[in-house]
Amino acid sequence: GAVVSQHPSWVICKSGTSVKIECRSLDFQATTMFWYRQFPKQSLMLMATSNEGSKATYEQGVEKDKFLINHASLTLSTLTVTSAHPEDSSFYICSARDGSEGSPLHFGNGTRLTVT
Amino acid sequence: GQNIDQPTEMTATEGAIVQINCTYQTSGFNGLFWYQQHAGEAPTFLSYNVLDGLEEKGRFSSFLSRSKGYSYLLLKELQMKDSASYLCAGMDSNYQLIWGAGTKLIIKP
Repeated sequence: GAVVSQHPSWVICKSGTSVKIECRSLDFQATTMFWYRQFPKQSLMLMATSNEGSKATYEQGVEKDKFLINHASLTLSTLTVTSAHPEDSSFYICSARDGSEGSPLHFGNGTRLTVT
Repeated sequence: GQNIDQPTEMTATEGAIVQINCTYQTSGFNGLFWYQQHAGEAPTFLSYNVLDGLEEKGRFSSFLSRSKGYSYLLLKELQMKDSASYLCAGMDSNYQLIWGAGTKLIIKP
């Protein structure tokens, strides 16, 4: 089945620093990847849609200058949290479809970010 | 507006059957997904319904009624490892997923 790999699984960083999270589709090509954020006991919140070779589409309320997304190839998208603050501490999960728009999302294992 | 409603928490006994309900309101409809999410982990895909009726997959089955905007996930022969959150997600006309808050299922021996 379709596999999405996400790295790192967890990261602790200091306020003001930047953190990069990688998302790879291992056995399929993904022109589109989705970045979600999930706070404890809350639902998944779509942050942005990453499009290969073009700019990402951000959801309302998500700062594009703070959450930088790069989708440089058909198998790799990166999310960089810039100038991280404690309120950015969350579970970040990427996902992709291995087929048409109606096919299910396959999720990476997620990255737990803690900003101290 | 678009909305997904599902119970916050349910409790069931090992070996029993449990049904998790979900009602949805989406702008257009391109299917209904169920995902399982264990604590601290990412969601994993369980089922997809786009036509009315029941889809069976082993111990798990999912039902859809488009006219009622309603779906359920049925889990049979419950095992302790089934303790998790179950997320219902509707796909709208733009193929965007609208996520429910999830139902935390607690299995007791």
